[in-house]
Amino acid sequence: ETGVTQTPRHLVMGMTNKKSLKCEQHLGHNAMYWYKQSAKKPLELMFVYSLEERVENNSVPSRFSPECPNSSHLFLHLHTLQPEDSALYLCASSQERREGWETQYFGPGTRLLVL
Amino acid sequence: RKEVEQDPGPFNVPEGATVAFNCTYSNSASQSFFWYRQDCRKEPKLLMSVYSSGNEDGRFTAQLNRASQYISLLIRDSKLSDSATYLCVVNSTNAGKSTFGDGTTLTVKP
Repeated sequence: ETGVTQTPRHLVMGMTNKKSLKCEQHLGHNAMYWYKQSAKKPLELMFVYSLEERVENNSVPSRFSPECPNSSHLFLHLHTLQPEDSALYLCASSQERREGWETQYFGPGTRLLVL
Repeated sequence: RKEVEQDPGPFNVPEGATVAFNCTYSNSASQSFFWYRQDCRKEPKLLMSVYSSGNEDGRFTAQLNRASQYISLLIRDSKLSDSATYLCVVNSTNAGKSTFGDGTTLTVKP
């Protein structure tokens, strides 16, 4: 399935590095999301973009900086991360309609390890 | 209280068993409901939507009870391949978002 793609699939970085995660959706959706999932833990919603505007920021530390240049692309810029930030980062997209938010489709995720 | 609550399990059942998961939600204005499945180290994938009239897809049956604010997923004749974490999702326009439950883990054993 190639509806939502994420790169890279795996990333190892040091605490002083700067890196970016990329997400692209090919479904014509108007909303995109970043989630964090630590090992054997539930999904944690980080950011929501609707029509390229950030509509939700769930108290995420400033070392995570999202960017949504258009409705098909979403980035997560990473800077001076901590080892506890190691997790699976999932991107999702959906179609927001006046009558409600529809099904979210997830990318395969980026598995991040911070050393 | 969480907006969406699920029994975390784990549920350990033998092949062929019938298993049911429940999920409760707190926002009475919620409009649409889904079950997702997440395999280990993989992304969540949509399993089925949940309709007011209830809906069935093969061995899977989903039901919605708006009065009591819960949804359920019934799996009949469990297969080994059904082992996964099942996530309940509730969409609410007034909240402007989808809310995922923490998931219920199912292990089907031979």
